[in-house]
Amino acid sequence: KAGVTQTPRYLIKTRGQQVTLSCSPISGHRSVSWYQQTPGQGLQFLFEYFSETQRNKGNFPGRFSGRQFSNSRSEMNVSTLELGDSALYLCASSLASGHRWEQYFGPGTRLTVT
Amino acid sequence: QQQVKQSPQSLIVQKGGISIINCAYENTAFDYFPWYQQFPGKGPALLIAIRPDVSEKKEGRFTISFNKSAKQFSLHIMDSQPGDSATYFCAASAAGANNLFFGTGTRLTVIP
Repeated sequence: KAGVTQTPRYLIKTRGQQVTLSCSPISGHRSVSWYQQTPGQGLQFLFEYFSETQRNKGNFPGRFSGRQFSNSRSEMNVSTLELGDSALYLCASSLASGHRWEQYFGPGTRLTVT
Repeated sequence: QQQVKQSPQSLIVQKGGISIINCAYENTAFDYFPWYQQFPGKGPALLIAIRPDVSEKKEGRFTISFNKSAKQFSLHIMDSQPGDSATYFCAASAAGANNLFFGTGTRLTVIP
């Protein structure tokens, strides 16, 4: 079975721009969660999508948004980028919401904001 | 506020030795405690996990010890190998949601 794929793997953007990251979950998995990883704050939960609905949201500003499509693929968007948004963005997929004991992470998208 | 506290920040162990990483939590609603291993350039990979109804779980060289009354849990890596050199994260979650609260990570280096 193919793992979680994330595109692009690396991205460089300028402050003030917006960015869209994509995540394709493992086949059959319907829940996708997004995390931000930085050296200072560690791994922090952004949001979870299941059946095209946001199920849970972390403590991030409204500039961070996401969506999920009918094929379970998910995108996250960050608008008006700030230098502090530079991070590794990880998505994790699982069979369903609440199925937290089998969450598989993708390799991440490394976002650099200059 | 960090919901899961992890220590030490870094650890150097000789090959064949025991690596011990500790975590503590406050939220009594947490009922699932996984450990993740992350290599540079990769996403975290689930290593082993425990629920609070057991005090210990062992999988190969990896053991989780869980102390519910102290709200602490730890990862023991027996017979540590250079290939175990990675960053280890403890995490916790509550029922009904997939979001994991992670510790700050421990960078383990196993020297030959």
